Amino acid sequence: SAVISQKPSRDICQRGTSLTIQCQVDSQVTMMFWYRQQPGQSLTLIATANQGSEATYESGFVIDKFPISRPNLTFSTLTVSNMSPEDSSIYLCSVVLGPNQPQHFGDGTRLSIL
Amino acid sequence: GENVEQHPSTLSVQEGDSAVIKCTYSDSASNYFPWYKQELGKRPQLIIDIRSNVGEKKDQRIAVTLNKTAKHFSLHITETQPEDSAVYFCAASMGTNAGKSTFGDGTTLTVKP
Repeated sequence: SAVISQKPSRDICQRGTSLTIQCQVDSQVTMMFWYRQQPGQSLTLIATANQGSEATYESGFVIDKFPISRPNLTFSTLTVSNMSPEDSSIYLCSVVLGPNQPQHFGDGTRLSIL
Repeated sequence: GENVEQHPSTLSVQEGDSAVIKCTYSDSASNYFPWYKQELGKRPQLIIDIRSNVGEKKDQRIAVTLNKTAKHFSLHITETQPEDSAVYFCAASMGTNAGKSTFGDGTTLTVKP
């Protein structure tokens, strides 16, 4: 198992600003991901956070909007840039401890844009 | 890429009855199928999983079945209790895909006391 600390837990932001979400894991993990969960919806993968290299983004998500850092095997950040009301969502980080293993999620960051 | 369809989107049962949620996947290379439970305001948590070399797995009141030929898998909850009320997500992933999962749209299960 893995213990994941994600912060902030929630925030209310102004349109046009940016917010950085942090994800800390209690052990070194290779596979770390960022998901978005819009209200009442499923989980959509934004990107895979790669240690020491650029993140791998899924279709529909771009680095300019969602820059990701992964300086080491226990930590990652996701920035939501130039926010608009459509970015209001829950953002979750997750880790996988090995092939064919489940995702372990952080508690999520509930983001509201005014 | 992988596509996972989940049905039904909502399910209401009486306490003590059984609940069944079904998922289909598109990529025959998928070989790992977890189920997550998400209570209101909380993170998704694994409740049971199955790998492609197994047809069925059971854990107390929860079971999962997998039909690789038909590319579908199902979650079965017996003797449902009010605390089973939550959103349930199925997912599919490939061991070669570096841990990435594709999720179904979710099923909101309500167990009426």
